[in-house]
Amino acid sequence: SAVISQKPSRDICQRGTSLTIQCQVDSQVTMMFWYRQQPGQSLTLIATANQGSEATYESGFVIDKFPISRPNLTFSTLTVSNMSPEDSSIYLCSVVETGFPSRGYTFGSGTRLTVV
Amino acid sequence: GQQVMQIPQYQHVQEGEDFTTYCNSSTTLSNIQWYKQRPGGHPVFLIQLVKSGEVKKQKRLTFQFGEAKKNSSLHITATQTTDVGTYFCAGTGGGSYIPTFGRGTSLIVHP
Repeated sequence: SAVISQKPSRDICQRGTSLTIQCQVDSQVTMMFWYRQQPGQSLTLIATANQGSEATYESGFVIDKFPISRPNLTFSTLTVSNMSPEDSSIYLCSVVETGFPSRGYTFGSGTRLTVV
Repeated sequence: GQQVMQIPQYQHVQEGEDFTTYCNSSTTLSNIQWYKQRPGGHPVFLIQLVKSGEVKKQKRLTFQFGEAKKNSSLHITATQTTDVGTYFCAGTGGGSYIPTFGRGTSLIVHP
């Protein structure tokens, strides 16, 4: 399975600032996904990032708040902009590899964000 | 949109007891995946079920996909402390290729 390096692993940020989270994959993948997971909750998809095109955002998430870059097939960033305490959460990037049998989605180790 | 309901939210068991978590979808699924997330960790893929009525086993874990492809279950026999974590189902269907995650069941095993 693909190996994803995600950083930072955690951060404490002041409200009103921005944080950029990076994910590096050890192989080329077509799609990368960004999720948010609030403590004790499920995973909510923020957006899907394809190389060479704009990210596709899910309902409730907008590009101005969560701009995403996907400059190549192994790298992506998610920025959490103008942060408020409500943005405190775990952010995870993920990729899916084609093939049989399915290997499902592989997740990065996550970024635990606290906004104060 | 598609919804995947998962119960129970929490389950406490004594080591050696069995454990089951259930997922139900509002629509017919094309497949369902199961993931395990250890405390402080990230979700790790366990298995994917595709066929109606499919049953798969991984050691003490048994995964089932319902005949109508709207429900699934994960059963752990004789739990161990290493089974502690949150188990998520993730269903794909309704014309989308991206899975919808259930809320997860947190398993707590008491030694």
